Amino acid sequence: AQKITQTQPGMFVQEKEAVTLDCTYDTSDQSYGLFWYKQPSSGEMIFLIYQGSYDEQNATEGRYSLNFQKARKSANLVISASQLGDSAMYFCAMRGSNDYKLSFGAGTTVTVRA
Amino acid sequence: SQTIHQWPATLVQPVGSPLSLECTVEGTSNPNLYWYRQAAGRGLQLLFYSVGIGQISSEVPQNLSASRPQDRQFILSSKKLLLSDSGFYLCAYRGLGAFFGQGTRLTVV
Repeated sequence: AQKITQTQPGMFVQEKEAVTLDCTYDTSDQSYGLFWYKQPSSGEMIFLIYQGSYDEQNATEGRYSLNFQKARKSANLVISASQLGDSAMYFCAMRGSNDYKLSFGAGTTVTVRA
Repeated sequence: SQTIHQWPATLVQPVGSPLSLECTVEGTSNPNLYWYRQAAGRGLQLLFYSVGIGQISSEVPQNLSASRPQDRQFILSSKKLLLSDSGFYLCAYRGLGAFFGQGTRLTVV
């Protein structure tokens, strides 16, 4: 079974600064995928970034980057140059190679201050 | 391109009333479909998933049921709602990760 842990319930960040959201995971699978989603107050789940367990490079998508440390089983999301529109809840998720579902962490609420 | 539609967006239902939430996917065939529930300020809990017509697997025993009468249609139902059924319900299909519908905010009063 997969387990995702997000230990930061909420964070405040100043506009234009970077913020790191922590995510650790536990799995016995050798092949797995890690995902980050953004959920604004509207409720929609927006896919941000994906990292495969065999990817050697850290994934990046625009202002989002994933700091993947496989030996430590961590997959932290870094948001650079924060914007007011980044205020939302952020979820880390993973799926094992033979798994049918995404397992989600509890989420981290990010509030960007002007 | 693939799209997912979920309705209604909001719903207020009395305790003991029935429930039917519908989800449809376009632009793909034989998708893996999921129903998740999210309590206020919490993470997502998988309720049901389906790999094909008539095939439903339940993750959590509860007051809800799911059906898949057509390839791209997934329905979440209840015969009698409980207060604890309140929450945000999300339908999703499997892609890279999962792609979600807009969600239904259900309040049982």
